[in-house]
Amino acid sequence: DTGVSQNPRHKITKRGQNVTFRCDPISEHNRLYWYRQTLGQGPEFLTYFQNEAQLEKSRLLSDRFSAERPKGSFSTLEIQRTEQGDSAMYLCASSPPWDGSPLHFGNGTRLTVT
Amino acid sequence: QQQVKQSPQSLIVQKGGIPIINCAYENTAFDYFPWYQQFPGKGPALLIAIRPDVSEKKEGRFTISFNKSAKQFSLHIMDSQPGDSATYFCAARLTGNQFYFGTGTSLTVIP
Repeated sequence: DTGVSQNPRHKITKRGQNVTFRCDPISEHNRLYWYRQTLGQGPEFLTYFQNEAQLEKSRLLSDRFSAERPKGSFSTLEIQRTEQGDSAMYLCASSPPWDGSPLHFGNGTRLTVT
Repeated sequence: QQQVKQSPQSLIVQKGGIPIINCAYENTAFDYFPWYQQFPGKGPALLIAIRPDVSEKKEGRFTISFNKSAKQFSLHIMDSQPGDSATYFCAARLTGNQFYFGTGTSLTVIP
């Protein structure tokens, strides 16, 4: 068990560019989540997958954000036409298929939009 | 709207002290309450968790106290150590596995 892996760890981009982040969950976990964390705040829910199905999306997830999990394994989060307000830590978490199980977080991708 | 309210924002204690972090919620549909510890540059890591049918849970030096009628829960760290210096988040889960997090408490334990 190598834990939840996120790449890249850091991303600096110019406003208006597109960025894509990758998350590899713990292998036996079928649930995958994306959260966003800004300085001094707790993680905010963005979206949730069960296997390859995207079951929930937060209102925080504007049309510029899209997430996929095509084969029910790794997931990608893409942000199009980045804005300075998108600067944050993007956290991925996974959990086993039974209810009440905790989230296991990766170390995040820190995005800086200049 | 903050679903889970956490206080204090920061806390400084001497080594061996017992820091207490408090959280409150309104939604009675929450059914699972974990605490996470986060070090700089790392993702949050699960510390301890409780369900609302239990009033207290201990794991090592960490204790959760849960008051269902008051809709409040707290984390106590016994015999705190400098290595406990981190940011602590409470969270609450809605059925469907959506978690809501508090705003975090930055704990500093002075040697």
